[in-house]
Amino acid sequence: DIQMTQSPSSLSASVGDRVTLTCRASHSINKYLNWFQQKPGKAPKLLIYAASNLERGVPSRFSGSGSGTDFTLTISSLQPEDFATYYCQQSHIIPVTFGPGTKVDIK
Amino acid sequence: EVQLVESGGGLVEPGGSLRLSCAASGFTFNTAWMNWVRQAPGKGLEWVGRVKSKDAGGTTDYAAPVKGRFTISRDDSNNTLYLQMSSLKTEDTAVYYCTTNGGPDWPPYWGQGTLLTVSS
Repeated sequence: DIQMTQSPSSLSASVGDRVTLTCRASHSINKYLNWFQQKPGKAPKLLIYAASNLERGVPSRFSGSGSGTDFTLTISSLQPEDFATYYCQQSHIIPVTFGPGTKVDIK
Repeated sequence: EVQLVESGGGLVEPGGSLRLSCAASGFTFNTAWMNWVRQAPGKGLEWVGRVKSKDAGGTTDYAAPVKGRFTISRDDSNNTLYLQMSSLKTEDTAVYYCTTNGGPDWPPYWGQGTLLTVSS
């Protein structure tokens, strides 16, 4: 199975900060990497698919990059509604696997 | 607009069975590969399994914890995905999400989930 790791596991940041989250795969997954945002009690919301494609309706302050084993999600200017948990997911190899998440909270 | 609406969740005793449904609309269901993903209370996301489209063979794959107990099926005439669960354990308690498969040029879509509680 492909193991997905995310760093940091949590971070505290302020509104307006630039935030970079990292996701690493144990083996190459090409660009089959999605990023999700989840708030308590809600379903995960897709932000980025195929490593760098912004999902329709998602603000442009979110961006994704990477290929192979190393990926990043960047929030260029953190907004109050961005405080949430972020998950990465690889869909290249079965079983599909998720990272453990990065929780972003208010400093 | 793509919509995935899960239903069928509820309270079941350990050892029991239940079938979840996912009604799909807004896309060509019969060509879509479909997944179930779950999330236990306070935990992360866990892939449960997948069914390919009929034209890709219609085969299924499952995560190790559910293999042999869960069965994914599809009814393309009614645009519905199913998850038949048996020999349920307390650790199967989770919100279950129905999702489409994403690809290099198209996004995956997710439903809002249905809660299964396995408890005596």
